[in-house]
Amino acid sequence: DTEVTQTPKHLVMGMTNKKSLKCEQHMGHRAMYWYKQKAKKPPELMFVYSYEKLSINESVPSRFSPECPNSSLLNLHLHALQPEDSALYLCASSQVTGANEQFFGPGTRLTVL
Amino acid sequence: QKEVEQNSGPLSVPEGAIASLNCTYSDRGSQSFFWYRQYSGKSPELIMSIYSNGDKEDGRFTAQLNKASQYVSLLIRDSQPSDSATYLCAVKGYSSASKIIFGSGTRLSIRP
Repeated sequence: DTEVTQTPKHLVMGMTNKKSLKCEQHMGHRAMYWYKQKAKKPPELMFVYSYEKLSINESVPSRFSPECPNSSLLNLHLHALQPEDSALYLCASSQVTGANEQFFGPGTRLTVL
Repeated sequence: QKEVEQNSGPLSVPEGAIASLNCTYSDRGSQSFFWYRQYSGKSPELIMSIYSNGDKEDGRFTAQLNKASQYVSLLIRDSQPSDSATYLCAVKGYSSASKIIFGSGTRLSIRP
């Protein structure tokens, strides 16, 4: 199994809602990442987990809360988002954080109303 | 100065021709270089990695790296309409903590 999966594919939420994005990989990778991508822009790194511990937080607002329950799963909990948070949220994984190649999941298209 | 620079395009190439995509980077310590392809509305897909000076070929794709000039390129031979996408150049530094830095991407359009 050489893929990263993400659910849901699309999510529409109000500013007062709480929702979660999920990411799963079964490649035995020990590093997982959350990126945010706005239209016509490159992916922006949000968080890095290494061996299930948060190793990088790119000064992301606290309304985004990551969680890594085990080495295969990565969640992103969302609360009190703003319309400008609407974007494509991408999960990626790599063998370890020092490993070079990152593989992306299909993404979750998030719309905040 | 941007860390990874690409021409945004669009780059229009006739079907069957060679498409040449270019990228420059500012960090001389960079060690790993990647090309991702991203179709509209989809996620980035890794198509080439290159770590040493010179050329690396994989099917119709050739990545070229020149660390002295801080330049990396991607050639696509026999371009097909299905190659129409945005190509993201990405660069990683030497340390294990180094992040991958993405360029803003070049939009490639293959015209029949």
